[in-house]
Amino acid sequence: GQQVMQIPQYQHVQEGEDFTTYCNSSTTLSNIQWYKQRPGGHPVFLIQLVKSGEVKKQKRLTFQFGEAKKNSSLHITATQTTDVGTYFCAGYSGGGADGLTFGKGTHLIIQP
Amino acid sequence: DTAVSQTPKYLVTQMGNDKSIKCEQNLGHDTMYWYKQDSKKFLKIMFSYNNKELIINETVPNRFSPKSPDKAHLNLHINSLELGDSAVYFCASSRIVTSGRAWEQYFGPGTRLTVT
Repeated sequence: GQQVMQIPQYQHVQEGEDFTTYCNSSTTLSNIQWYKQRPGGHPVFLIQLVKSGEVKKQKRLTFQFGEAKKNSSLHITATQTTDVGTYFCAGYSGGGADGLTFGKGTHLIIQP
Repeated sequence: DTAVSQTPKYLVTQMGNDKSIKCEQNLGHDTMYWYKQDSKKFLKIMFSYNNKELIINETVPNRFSPKSPDKAHLNLHINSLELGDSAVYFCASSRIVTSGRAWEQYFGPGTRLTVT
């Protein structure tokens, strides 16, 4: 079945440094979503990418979808303590009956 | 108003017991899901319901059974609980999934199940 790999599993950064998490799918995706889960909280939808090569920005967050629609990345510029949490990518391959396949997440730890 | 709600928030029980977790969404969505998140935060889909029909049934033990009385509710019943069932269970909902398009999912606050 479809697999979605996400790296790194953990990332420690100093506040103000940049952060990037990468997502790779074993199959071509119809679309990919990104979620953020704060410690003790629940996953919250951030964005969905649909088009090949698509780039979207939300303030300090930049999301990219690869040309082959098999990989994606999330980049955070100048991290802040509020960015702490786990970032998940979730891929959808289409077909109607399938749900999202989540990556294992990247835990972002920020040292002040 | 809470979009997706779950009860209870915490559930502590002994091995062998049967328990249920309830989920309700007021977003008017047609698809609801149950996810299990283990201690390493790995999020795995267990079930989804689309217009009261089960459309995904991952390789979960048949001790787990989803029940959907209407499209706003998707409850999870677990029989003969085992230690390995300890986890956080999230309910989620989305617009109806169609071929080629998935929609953003809205998650409930989670139910932390501890089996002793």
